Amino acid sequence: DTGVSQDPRHKITKRGQNVTFRCDPISEHNRLYWYRQTLGQGPEFLTYFQNEAQLEKSRLLSDRFSAERPKGSFSTLEIQRTEQGDSAMYLCASSLNGADTQYFGPGTRLTVL
Amino acid sequence: LAKTTQPISMDSYEGQEVNITCSHNNIATNDYITWYQQFPSQGPRFIIQGYKTKVTNEVASLFIPADRKSSTLSLPRVSLSDTAVYYCLVGLMNRDDKIIFGKGTRLHILP
Repeated sequence: DTGVSQDPRHKITKRGQNVTFRCDPISEHNRLYWYRQTLGQGPEFLTYFQNEAQLEKSRLLSDRFSAERPKGSFSTLEIQRTEQGDSAMYLCASSLNGADTQYFGPGTRLTVL
Repeated sequence: LAKTTQPISMDSYEGQEVNITCSHNNIATNDYITWYQQFPSQGPRFIIQGYKTKVTNEVASLFIPADRKSSTLSLPRVSLSDTAVYYCLVGLMNRDDKIIFGKGTRLHILP
């Protein structure tokens, strides 16, 4: 257990539905990252926050994806109008600062039917 | 970030020492080398990081030759529980940098 928690661990939804995932980082960590991982591939960067500010978004993050980190604590990742191609493991990581080791949560596995 | 190349998969037996080599020919002067381990259905876990020569911790050793164009992760006396995917990453650790993962090396430990 790294101290980073994610909820839910598994989510099955039908195409077109909206889903929201939550990540609780290690409490004193300022940085929070979201990644997506598909079968057989390494994690791909999606976006990251420095406290409550979203500083960078990958081109992978389409308009259907939105992430927030209110008050610089937990973060949510919402996917609107889910598509089958969104099926993946969504990973959250946190670090004390930008140059520090990232600690990953267990991930949320999304299956879109 | 410098591109890395590592074997797609490796097999070994319990009790053996396993060495996984990563090539990073375009490593920059300020780049560090970091290894992560990932078990199925879990997030990656930091193993070890180094800049040059040799680094050792309670889990593994990291060997980096003088030219730094490659590095070797060494796992002593592996057990079945070391079966996992191992990722080699190269980048700067003295500034903001997002991690870019490759496909990693799938290590399978046999009894």
